[in-house]
Amino acid sequence: VQLVESGGGLVRPGGSLRLSCEASGFTFGTFAMTWVRQAPGQTPQWLSSITNNGRGTFYADSVKGRFTLSRDNSKNTVYLQMTGLSVDDSAVYYCAKGASGYHYFDLWGQGTVVTVSS
Amino acid sequence: IQMTQSPASLSASVGDRVTITCQASRDIRHYLSWYQQMPGKAPKLLIYDVSTLEIGVPSRFSGGGSGTHFTFTISGLQPEDIATYYCQQYGDFPLTFGGGTKVEI
Repeated sequence: VQLVESGGGLVRPGGSLRLSCEASGFTFGTFAMTWVRQAPGQTPQWLSSITNNGRGTFYADSVKGRFTLSRDNSKNTVYLQMTGLSVDDSAVYYCAKGASGYHYFDLWGQGTVVTVSS
Repeated sequence: IQMTQSPASLSASVGDRVTITCQASRDIRHYLSWYQQMPGKAPKLLIYDVSTLEIGVPSRFSGGGSGTHFTFTISGLQPEDIATYYCQQYGDFPLTFGGGTKVEI
């Protein structure tokens, strides 16, 4: 049972990046999925969640209009498309599995690092 | 919903009872969880629904409270409990975390 994130890296301000999170070991299409980020020395920050069927998405105000969350249940993967990146978006980005019917997180990925710098 | 967690850090001895508090800016009923985060690692779920222990979590960890005031307790601090602990509310979007409590020996 695991989540594996990928797609992080170094990007220039104003640039774009797509993060992926591949799930294994559980029935992916049954659970909501979420992205949380954490800047160095800071508390985790919820970014976005998507319902199990992908029909509902929720965003933090700080990323609304810039980030898009989607999922492909046939590939057991959730995607976070990030545009208009700024230095404030630099952080470790975690993918997390929501518990059944609720938005606390019983499984986390190892994280992928996003660095926005010129 | 703002989550105010205290203290920001604490130092205790092995075997001590340690308590962390989390105050919500409005009623979140029972929609509160607690996580443990080791340096360089992802957070790990310890408690959900205020007081329900996640499977495999030692019984020295416990949670309590309701409404807006919540507590997290380690009864008998162990060296492996050195970490940062966070509360998180899931009563409403945006989901929010407390500021964290760094526990040291």
